Amino acid sequence: DVVMTQTPVSLSVSLGGQVSISCRSSQSLVHNNGNTYLSWYLQKPGQSPQLLIYKVSNRFSGISDRFSGSGSGTDFTLKISRVEPDDLGVYYCGQGTQYPLTFGSGTKLEIK
Amino acid sequence: EVQLVESGGGLVQPGRSLKLSCAASGFTFSNYYMAWVRQAPKKGLEWVATISTSGSRTYYPDSVKGRFTISRDNAKSSLYLQMNSLKSEDTATYYCARLTTVADYWGQGVMVTVSS
Repeated sequence: DVVMTQTPVSLSVSLGGQVSISCRSSQSLVHNNGNTYLSWYLQKPGQSPQLLIYKVSNRFSGISDRFSGSGSGTDFTLKISRVEPDDLGVYYCGQGTQYPLTFGSGTKLEIK
Repeated sequence: EVQLVESGGGLVQPGRSLKLSCAASGFTFSNYYMAWVRQAPKKGLEWVATISTSGSRTYYPDSVKGRFTISRDNAKSSLYLQMNSLKSEDTATYYCARLTTVADYWGQGVMVTVSS
């Protein structure tokens, strides 16, 4: 199984600041078809997860350009710029390259 | 607007069964793979099952294989999860999700508590 390791476990940021979350996979996430199925989700308090980024760097419909994804192979990063109050919650990375589908353990973002 | 609404959760004793349902709307249900993902209290996300568009192919992690069965009724735009031989570690919120190359839309979740 592909193990997804997220760091840090939690972080605190001031409004308007920028943060980066790292996600590393135990195996390459490059699919046989050449695509890399790494996605990022945000779970706001009391809500279900919502998709932010798919295939490493593609923003989902309606997602602000303050969110950006990058990386390749086994090493990926989510950056959030100009942090807003609505950004608080737990961020998860997930891989869809191979079964079983797996997720990182989450990074909790708190606003200072 | 894509909507996924789960139902069927509740309190169940260990070893018993429960069936979850997910009503889909706002998209052509039969064109999409679907999945169930769960989240134990205060824990992370765990994928539980995936089903192909026709229902002919299903996928499970080892933790539920042989106990859980995912199915769908395209005529009713509905997804199901039959859970047998439930264990305390199956206690979680269960989410229905639409799959493209990723789980792009999620329902609000339904709570399943396995306890005597």
